[in-house]
Amino acid sequence: SQKIEQNSEALNIQEGKTATLTCNYTNYSPAYLQWYRQDPGRGPVFLLLIRENEKEKRKERLKVTFDTTLKQSLFHITASQPADSATYLCALRDSNYQLIWGAGTKLIIKP
Amino acid sequence: GAGVSQSPSNKVTEKGKDVELRCDPISGHTALYWYRQSLGQGLEFLIYFQGNSAPDKSGLPSDRFSAERTGGSVSTLTIQRTQQEDSAVYLCASTPSSTGWSAEAFFGQGTRLTVV
Repeated sequence: SQKIEQNSEALNIQEGKTATLTCNYTNYSPAYLQWYRQDPGRGPVFLLLIRENEKEKRKERLKVTFDTTLKQSLFHITASQPADSATYLCALRDSNYQLIWGAGTKLIIKP
Repeated sequence: GAGVSQSPSNKVTEKGKDVELRCDPISGHTALYWYRQSLGQGLEFLIYFQGNSAPDKSGLPSDRFSAERTGGSVSTLTIQRTQQEDSAVYLCASTPSSTGWSAEAFFGQGTRLTVV
């Protein structure tokens, strides 16, 4: 079955720098991969989706890449701000259409 | 409402009591998921409803946990004989069918369950 791995250690980044988070999956490449943001005490909120035939997707300061050879997606936040501090999760659908989630990486942007 | 609604927001119950958690998904969303999240941990899958198909109950941790989805809409997660280890935030999410495999998940605000 499909599994997702995200770095469980918190990522500390200085304000203004680029934060890069990693999502690795184990089996077949999904048609789509999604990234979500979760703030404490709230449910995850959808940010971006990237298709398997897309190498890169951008939305404002966010950029997602998808490398089906490495079975990896990278999530970048440029010009990071303290307000970007949150936990970021990646998700994809398995063959049963069910969403599979990574455990998330906590991002801390220091002023 | 426009989003996924969960009730109650908070629930404190005594060990051994039964609790019911409710999820009202976005109208028309065919898929509904229940997750459990302990403090600082990731999402723990509990159960998945997709349309009229039999639910995927593979994530339910014990037979004290059960869930129903009536009329393809509202879902209730029931925990019988609650234990302290059941304390967590229970999150519900729904996804539309119209966008297929790319469909994003919409989450409710969660129910924080505390068993004392």
